[in-house]
Amino acid sequence: KQEVTQIPAALSVPEGENLVLNCSFTDSAIYNLQWFRQDPGKGLTSLLLIQSSQREQTSGRLNASLDKSSGRSTLYIAASQPGDSATYLCAPTGNQFYFGTGTSLTVIP
Amino acid sequence: GAVVSQHPSWVICKSGTSVKIECRSLDFQATTMFWYRQFPKQSLMLMATSNEGSKATYEQGVEKDKFLINHASLTLSTLTVTSAHPEDSSFYICSAPKGGGRVESSYNEQFFGPGTRLTVL
Repeated sequence: KQEVTQIPAALSVPEGENLVLNCSFTDSAIYNLQWFRQDPGKGLTSLLLIQSSQREQTSGRLNASLDKSSGRSTLYIAASQPGDSATYLCAPTGNQFYFGTGTSLTVIP
Repeated sequence: GAVVSQHPSWVICKSGTSVKIECRSLDFQATTMFWYRQFPKQSLMLMATSNEGSKATYEQGVEKDKFLINHASLTLSTLTVTSAHPEDSSFYICSAPKGGGRVESSYNEQFFGPGTRLTVL
């Protein structure tokens, strides 16, 4: 069974800072990896999808990298804003779909 | 992006009753859908994989007789919590993959419903 770990569990930064969220997974036999954000009491919003053959994906201020062989992915958020405050989840997809424990991000105005 | 809906968005029921939650893919077909449960301040836990035309696959520790899953069509999966108890109170979320046509496609992107908040009194 895939085990997914996200570090740090919680992060609080002042507005404008760049930050990195880390995700590690135990089973490298994945088809792709997605990053999501979840606002309190809400569903999940897909941020980025990296196919297994790709090394990174970018969307606006977000950049995600994937090193499948070492079981790692990072999500880089540039110039953080208060609206970025949410829980961020990574999900490597193999035969099933497992979530990381999440990183709770607070961006302080 | 694709749209997945869930109904109801919230439900309150008495202990011992059954509750049905619907998950629909509105603009694409999904032969597979996934059901998750999320307790407060915890991550999502996969409960089961719903397969159109065949039985659902349950994760270890999830009672299949308690959480009945029916994948009625290529756009609809239902989760029925039977004889609900207060400990079943949780946030239930479904997802459906869209993209490569096969579950194992690297192009598959998961789209999530908005979730259903279940409270059992």
